[in-house]
Amino acid sequence: SAVISQKPSRDICQRGTSLTIQCQVDSQVTMMFWYRQQPGQSLTLIATANQGSEATYESGFVIDKFPISRPNLTFSTLTVSNMSPEDSSIYLCSVMFGLNTDTQYFGPGTRLTVL
Amino acid sequence: AQSVAQPEDQVNVAEGNPLTVKCTYSVSGNPYLFWYVQYPNRGLQFLLKYITGDNLVKGSYGFEAEFNKSQTSFHLKKPSALVSDSALYFCAVRAHRDNYGQNFVFGPGTRLSVLP
Repeated sequence: SAVISQKPSRDICQRGTSLTIQCQVDSQVTMMFWYRQQPGQSLTLIATANQGSEATYESGFVIDKFPISRPNLTFSTLTVSNMSPEDSSIYLCSVMFGLNTDTQYFGPGTRLTVL
Repeated sequence: AQSVAQPEDQVNVAEGNPLTVKCTYSVSGNPYLFWYVQYPNRGLQFLLKYITGDNLVKGSYGFEAEFNKSQTSFHLKKPSALVSDSALYFCAVRAHRDNYGQNFVFGPGTRLSVLP
């Protein structure tokens, strides 16, 4: 099975700064997604990362706050901009393999704490 | 709109006893149903899924789940719990043939504690 990695695994950041999270897969994938898991909460989809075009954002999430890149079929980044303590969460990338597949596989997550 | 309910925040079971983690869903059309497990400081691991076919599906680590269309449920089960099964369990649903990702909805999670 494919290996999905995220960097950094955790970070502590100051209010007003930005953090870029990387998601790397060791094989090509068709779909990549970014989720947020706030403390004690379930997962909320932030956006679908589209290769070579702008990401598709869910209601309540905007590009200025969460810019996403996906330059190829194995890599994506999520930036959390102008952070506030409310952004403290676990951020997870997930992938799907093949157009007709149905299962999402998740990376290990990035635990972000904003002071 | 799709939704997933996990009515129990916490389930406690003694090691060696059978366990059940409940999930009910609401979706238009035929559902794709999933169970994931999250261990502390880890991402989500895929356990099993129901797409079509037999209502009883078997997955990783001895887990199984039963799809019940009339009750719109997809309860996770294991005949004999292990202490190492202690984790956070998420049920998820995706409507058949909908856009990938946008309609993948997760339940609130159930924390399973297996007591030695």
